[in-house]
Formats: sequence, structure tokens, C-alpha cells
Amino acid sequence: DVKVTQSSRYLVKRTGEKVFLECVQDMDHENMFWYRQDPGLGLRLIYFSYDVKMKEKGDIPEGYSVSREKKERFSLILESASTNQTSMYLCASSLKGGFGGYTFGSGTRLTVV
Amino acid sequence: AQSVTQLDSQVPVFEEAPVELRCNYSSSVSVYLFWYVQYPNQGLQLLLKYLSGSTLVKGINGFEAEFNKSQTSFHLRKPSVHISDTAEYFCALNSGGYQKVTFGIGTKLQVIP
Repeated sequence: DVKVTQSSRYLVKRTGEKVFLECVQDMDHENMFWYRQDPGLGLRLIYFSYDVKMKEKGDIPEGYSVSREKKERFSLILESASTNQTSMYLCASSLKGGFGGYTFGSGTRLTVV
Repeated sequence: AQSVTQLDSQVPVFEEAPVELRCNYSSSVSVYLFWYVQYPNQGLQLLLKYLSGSTLVKGINGFEAEFNKSQTSFHLRKPSVHISDTAEYFCALNSGGYQKVTFGIGTKLQVIP
């Protein structure tokens, strides 16, 4: 069964910590994405990547960075966690062109205290 | 620019009744449209997609959607809902060959026993 795996379902971090969210896909997809989901705001794109070692900013990149050293892995980094980054984080992947739709991970619910 | 509007934030419906979740989109070029479902504390799962061809698209779990270019709509329907259909549903759009997808803010379907 093909899938996208996010390393943690629930995570609690302190303000100012550096936080790493990991995402791995086993479908050989070219594209990978990080979204955050907040009530009433839907899904907002943070960063995406079309290929290894490349990245592009989404709609809300401030306070985040990403890394894609291997095709199957896409990491989201919160450089200095803040309480307004408390959210559900969703990783997704898709084939080049995106026509097949996205495959999502189960999500990581991050709480920053 | 592309956008997706989901007209209802919440839709309550009795079990075994029909349901329609509405989605309108805006795009100046050809579009690819998707519906996703999200069960509590999970990631999103692809329900169905319209890429081209027949405007009536059938998906998983008995759902279907109809692409209407003149109305710029892609409404989701199910003739008889079950308690297990209680979830949040997202309409999404990919246009102009861009690999990013724009999501609506979601519609929460509550099936009442």
C-alpha cells in the first residue's frame, strides 16, 4: 500500500526550540508539499519541492524552512518555534504535473507552549 | 489567479438522505478538479477527480461529482449518506498545468442518526 509517512502524530515543543517535521513517501513522486491546517482557514501551503534539492515558497513561508536531500524525504523546519505555529501540519506528494491528485500523510499536530 | 469557494461551512443531513456539497471555482485556464475527505485526526484522502472527458465523475464510497464549465462548479453528491460519511470535505483545483493545488476551506458534513 503506497503511502506518505509523517514521523510524529503529536508533538509538543517549547517556544524558541528548533523543530523538525519529517515526511517520507514511497511512491517515487517528484513533488512534495507541506501545508498547515487551521480551523476556518483551510489548508495553506508553506513550501513545496519539485525535485531533489529544490524548493519553492508557498503562501506562508515565514518562520519555516525545508530540506529535500533525497527524493523520498521532505523535511519541514521551524527555526524558532512560536505559539502561533501551533497547528496541524500535513505533508503531501504527487506525480509531476499533479494531475493524479495528492497523497497525504496522516498529519502532525504540533503544540508550541 | 485561481480560487475555490465552498459555499457551506457545515452541512447537517439525516442518515440515508441525499446530500450535495457545493464548490465553485475561478480560473482563466483549463482546470483539473478534486474532492478530498478528511476524517477526524487524519490526513486528506482523494475521493474523486476530474481531468477531462465525461463531466460526471464517480469516486469512492458512493460519491460522485459533476463538472459544469458554464457554472464554474464541481458539486459533490451522494444519494444516501451513512454515519461513516461524517467528515470534512475539501474541493481543490489545479489549473494551467501548475503543480500546486488550491484548496477550498472545507465543508463539514454531519450525518444525523
